[in-house]
Amino acid sequence: GENVEQHPSTLSVQEGDSAVIKCTYSDSASNYFPWYKQELGKGPQLIIDIRSNVGEKKDQRIAVTLNKTAKHFSLHITETQPEDSAVYFCAAGANDYKLSFGAGTTVTVRA
Amino acid sequence: GAGVSQSPSNKVTEKGKDVELRCDPISGHTALYWYRQSLGQGLEFLIYFQGNSAPDKSGLPSDRFSAERTGGSVSTLTIQRTQQEDSAVYLCASRGGGSNEQYFGPGTRLTVT
Repeated sequence: GENVEQHPSTLSVQEGDSAVIKCTYSDSASNYFPWYKQELGKGPQLIIDIRSNVGEKKDQRIAVTLNKTAKHFSLHITETQPEDSAVYFCAAGANDYKLSFGAGTTVTVRA
Repeated sequence: GAGVSQSPSNKVTEKGKDVELRCDPISGHTALYWYRQSLGQGLEFLIYFQGNSAPDKSGLPSDRFSAERTGGSVSTLTIQRTQQEDSAVYLCASRGGGSNEQYFGPGTRLTVT
């Protein structure tokens, strides 16, 4: 099955700086890569996703890049704000219905 | 509109007891998932329901775990003879309308003493 590794496990950044989280996956059949944000006491929420036919996708301060050859994808958050503090999960799947999740990255934005 | 709801939000039970966790998906969503999130860990897939198809149970960790989805809507995850290692947050998600996005509920925190 699919195995997703996520680094780092914790990330502390100064407000206004950028944050980068990296994930690798093992199954070359995976073609869907979503990122979820989980705030304390809540369920994860989708923030951005990318399919394997696209190398990069941006949505305001958030971007995701995908390198299919190397089997890795990354989340980039620019101009970080205190409300970006949360746990972020990457995931990968060969179809839309079954995802394998990374272990999560706890992001803390220091004011 | 209403999101995915789960009940109870917290459940404390004694080792050996059975528990039932409930999930109410978003109305009209045909796909429903259960995940387990242990402390500091990612989401572990448990089971997937899609319409009237046979569920994908490949993630259930043991035969003590089972789930039903009645009438294509509400789902119940049952854990029999609970063990301390079952302590975790159990998350439910639903998906529908041709979207890829899974919408998660707030989870049920299960503590087995």
